[in-house]
Amino acid sequence: NAGVTQTPKFQVLKTGQSMTLQCAQDMNHNSMYWYRQDPGMGLRLIYYSASEGTTDKGEVPNGYNVSRLNKREFSLRLESAAPSQTSVYFCASSEAGGLNSPLHFGNGTRLTVT
Amino acid sequence: AQSVTQLDSQVPVFEEAPVELRCNYSSSVSVYLFWYVQYPNQGLQLLLKYLSGSTLVKGINGFEAEFNKSQTSFHLRKPSVHISDTAEYFCAVSYSGGYNKLIFGAGTRLAVHP
Repeated sequence: NAGVTQTPKFQVLKTGQSMTLQCAQDMNHNSMYWYRQDPGMGLRLIYYSASEGTTDKGEVPNGYNVSRLNKREFSLRLESAAPSQTSVYFCASSEAGGLNSPLHFGNGTRLTVT
Repeated sequence: AQSVTQLDSQVPVFEEAPVELRCNYSSSVSVYLFWYVQYPNQGLQLLLKYLSGSTLVKGINGFEAEFNKSQTSFHLRKPSVHISDTAEYFCAVSYSGGYNKLIFGAGTRLAVHP
């Protein structure tokens, strides 16, 4: 019973490099989310997918793209990494977008951009 | 702009002492309130939530919180803490009824000392 699985756990990039963060959930959830966590700022929503086939911008989408590959998987892509994107990234999922179903988080990807 | 303020960035406390972690939100007609806990190198886990009904909400691990509409507060309390409660605690508010508009506070680091 894995829940929400994120890969990789750690990554170091040079400025301008690209990479994709992977997220998969095995709970048959409809909604998935990508957050970034920065010291003193809590979590901020980057993008979300209310259901398979849909994606929408969150609070801080600039510099990122997402793909809802299927119901299980939701990836986050950095096309040209910048030092300002150094952060811890969390993927989350919920059965639906409403607040009655709990939000389940992965263990995070720690990204450093030099 | 809608916001969530956690008044203490760090709270040190001795084992078996009571603790209160404070959270205030900007006023709104309707709010939905959450407390999450994050242990080192892990994602967030739901402690408790207020959606409607009784203003005193009980959660996991002996925590409880009280929704105070007049004070726009949702403080988290535990009567007797354990070393294992050492973690970061996040207050979060949704003003819209969906996770796509969930706003997190900056977090409070609770350090329980023997």
